[in-house]
Parts: sequence; structure tokens; C-alpha cells
Amino acid sequence: AQSVTQLGSHVSVSEGALVLLRCNYSSSVPPYLFWYVQYPNQGLQLLLKYTTGATLVKGINGFEAEFKKSETSFHLTKPSAHMSDAAEYFCAVSDRIQGAQKLVFGQGTRLTINP
Amino acid sequence: NAGVTQTPKFQVLKTGQSMTLQCAQDMNHNSMYWYRQDPGMGLRLIYYSASEGTTDKGEVPNGYNVSRLNKREFSLRLESAAPSQTSVYFCASSRPPNLGETQYFGPGTRLLVL
Repeated sequence: AQSVTQLGSHVSVSEGALVLLRCNYSSSVPPYLFWYVQYPNQGLQLLLKYTTGATLVKGINGFEAEFKKSETSFHLTKPSAHMSDAAEYFCAVSDRIQGAQKLVFGQGTRLTINP
Repeated sequence: NAGVTQTPKFQVLKTGQSMTLQCAQDMNHNSMYWYRQDPGMGLRLIYYSASEGTTDKGEVPNGYNVSRLNKREFSLRLESAAPSQTSVYFCASSRPPNLGETQYFGPGTRLLVL
């Protein structure tokens, strides 16, 4: 079965600093990987996803992630943090369940931006 | 285009009461899902419906039932609520249930069971 581990339940960075949120996955088949963002009291919004092809994936709001098969990682980065990036971020891997798709989520990382 | 909508937004129940959480999508998606979100545990799949007319159990189905009313609507029912079901519930939908498909989430229903 697929699984996801997000390293660090809380990450705090200064405005303008690099954002790095770590995600490692376990998958017995080529993985399909996702990053979602959740702003307070809202649902989840897709930031980016990796399916096939280029391993560096660009998403919304200046975020990007790189799929590294050898390290089983899919870390999320942004060069310069903005106050509006404060949210909870979830990494997920897609798994098959009886002919349908199931997303297996990590436990989430809460990102705080310091002024 | 409202996307995925959920009602109610917030609900307080007493132990043993029942309720139905409603979900609807206007994106003509085939597949729909119910997840629960608990602190430190991410989201876990409760039930899903790969297509209209089918429903199946996910990871944590105990204490819940679902109905896929039509292609648009997928409801989640708690027959006898327990404090352990205090959580935030999210409905999601996607096009054909392929592994690379994006799931679109609703705003959630916050449920408190006393």
C-alpha cells in the first residue's frame, strides 16, 4: 500500500525566505503525487501534481516540486515566502482501490510566515 | 460554476443522534469521495463512489453510510453519532477515477459530537 510521510508538522520561515516542505512516499508502482494547500476554514486546493514526464513540476502561487525517484521524495519549494502563503500543506499519493482512485495523504505541515 | 458544495457548514450533535451530510458537484464528474480530517492525521477516505450507482468502503467506514443519489449528489449519513466522529468532513469529486486525476474538494463540514 502507498504511504506518505511529511517531515515536520510545523515549519516557520521569514517573509522573503525560501520555503521547503518535505514529503517522502512509499509506492510499489510508479507514483502519482500531489500537493494540496488548505487555508484556514477552507477546503483543499490543488497546488501541483506529478503524473509522468518532467520531474520538476510548477504549480500555482510560485510553488514547485521535484520528483526524485531515487530518494522517493517530492519536496515542495518556493524561493521567496509571502505572508499569504501561511496555510497547511498536504502531500498525497494516488492509490488504486477497487477500480477507483484513492488519495493517501500525509499528516500535513503547517507553514507560518514571520514578518 | 460552484464546484463542490457541502451542507451544513457546521453541526453540533448529541451522542446517538443521526444526521446526513450533503454534497453536490456541478462539474459532471463521475467519481465522488468522502474524507474525514483529524488533527495530525491528514485526510482519510471514508467512502467513495467510482461512478453513479456504485459505492464502496474506504479506510474508515465504520459508523457511516452513503448514498449516491444521482451523478451530482453524494450524501454521508451518521446513524448514531459518537464523540469519535467529531471531525471535519470533506467531499471531493473527480473525472474518471484514474490515478493521475485531480480531486476537487468542497469547503468542509465541521461536526462536533457531544
